[in-house]
Amino acid sequence: DIVMTQSPESLAVSLGERATINCKSSQSVLYSSNNKNYLGWYQQKPGQPPKLLIYWASTRESGVPDRFSGSGSGTDFTLSISSLQAEDVAVYYCQQYYSTPPTFGQGTKVEIK
Amino acid sequence: EVQLVESGGGLVKPGGSLRLSCAASGFTFSNVWMSWVRQAPGKGLEWVGRIQSNGDGGTTEYAAPVKGSFTISRDDSKNTLYLQMNSLKTEDTAVYYCTTMSPALNYWGQGTLVIVSS
Repeated sequence: DIVMTQSPESLAVSLGERATINCKSSQSVLYSSNNKNYLGWYQQKPGQPPKLLIYWASTRESGVPDRFSGSGSGTDFTLSISSLQAEDVAVYYCQQYYSTPPTFGQGTKVEIK
Repeated sequence: EVQLVESGGGLVKPGGSLRLSCAASGFTFSNVWMSWVRQAPGKGLEWVGRIQSNGDGGTTEYAAPVKGSFTISRDDSKNTLYLQMNSLKTEDTAVYYCTTMSPALNYWGQGTLVIVSS
């Protein structure tokens, strides 16, 4: 199974500042035949189901604010929130869907400083 | 609007069985691969298994911890996904979510809580 490792486990950021979450996979999730990274990012607010933010490592899901961006390729990925808002307090997960079983990172809790 | 509504959760004794349902609407259910994901209390997300659309073969795959105990099925005439859970263990206690797969997990239900306890 591909192991997904996120860092940090938690971070506290001031309102309006940038938050950066890293995700590393134990093997590449880049599919060479289509040059796509099989990597998604999810946001889970307390008491709610997860919500897909980013797929193919960098494509924002419809309706997701453009302050959220994804980058990276191969085994190293980043989710950035350019200007943290109060409503962004949540746990964020990366997930690979390159191979079965799809696996998630352990989650990163984002709070307001 | 896409809606996924899970039901069937509850309290069950170890070794017991439970069947979860997920009623889908707002999209062409028969064309979509579906999966189940669970989340133990206070823990992270764990993929349980998935079923292809019948047009793509309708095959299933499962996570190792549930293989042989859980069965995913679908009824396209009812726009409903199922998760049959047998031989339940205390470690199966979790909120169970149904999701669409395209191949990221783009839509999620609100989840149904399963508690396995004596």
